Amino acid sequence: EAGVAQSPRYKIIEKRQSVAFWCNPISGHATLYWYQQILGQGPKLLIQFQNNGVVDDSQLPKDRFSAERLKGVDSTLKIQPAKLEDSAVYLCASSTLDGLWEKLFFGSGTQLSVL
Amino acid sequence: GESVGLHLPTLSVQEGDNSIINCAYSNSASDYFIWYKQESGKGPQFIIDIRSNMDKRQGQRVTVLLNKTVKHLSLQIAATQPGDSAVYFCAENPPPYWMANAGKSTFGDGTTLTVKP
Repeated sequence: EAGVAQSPRYKIIEKRQSVAFWCNPISGHATLYWYQQILGQGPKLLIQFQNNGVVDDSQLPKDRFSAERLKGVDSTLKIQPAKLEDSAVYLCASSTLDGLWEKLFFGSGTQLSVL
Repeated sequence: GESVGLHLPTLSVQEGDNSIINCAYSNSASDYFIWYKQESGKGPQFIIDIRSNMDKRQGQRVTVLLNKTVKHLSLQIAATQPGDSAVYFCAENPPPYWMANAGKSTFGDGTTLTVKP
């Protein structure tokens, strides 16, 4: 079974530029998450999708971050304009239910460096 | 606010020894806990979970212990191998745990386990 695919693996941009990350979840997984992981910290949830609808975006800095999942499969996370503090690994995860329990499957992430 | 913390940011063990990674949580309402392993350049990978109605759960070479009295959980790895070298995160979840909310987990900051040959 293919895992969660993310691209690009690395991205280096200057502050105030824009950047976009792409995620393809595991086939059949309806729920998709984006996380931000700053070096030395655990992942922090940014946004949750169920199919093509947003379930929770309360932690998303909406003045500069946006995300979409138009057809309920692939998702894109965008930052515009980027700030130095946005330097982090951006992880995408999809989930399935194991009985009643939700199991997360993470991609390898996109490492963003903002200079 | 509530947070999940790990006692030690780094742990170094000899190959073949047992490893114990600790985690303290502060939200007494949390009732579902997950341990993840994150290897360099990869995303977190589920290892084992435990619900608050249990105090111990065993998997393959791993055991998780939950002490609700002192709000502490630990991950024990038996016969640690070089492939176990990674960052280990504990994650807590608010009730009700039977709902699909593992994605809403609050992650701790991780313990880096290094296995010496």
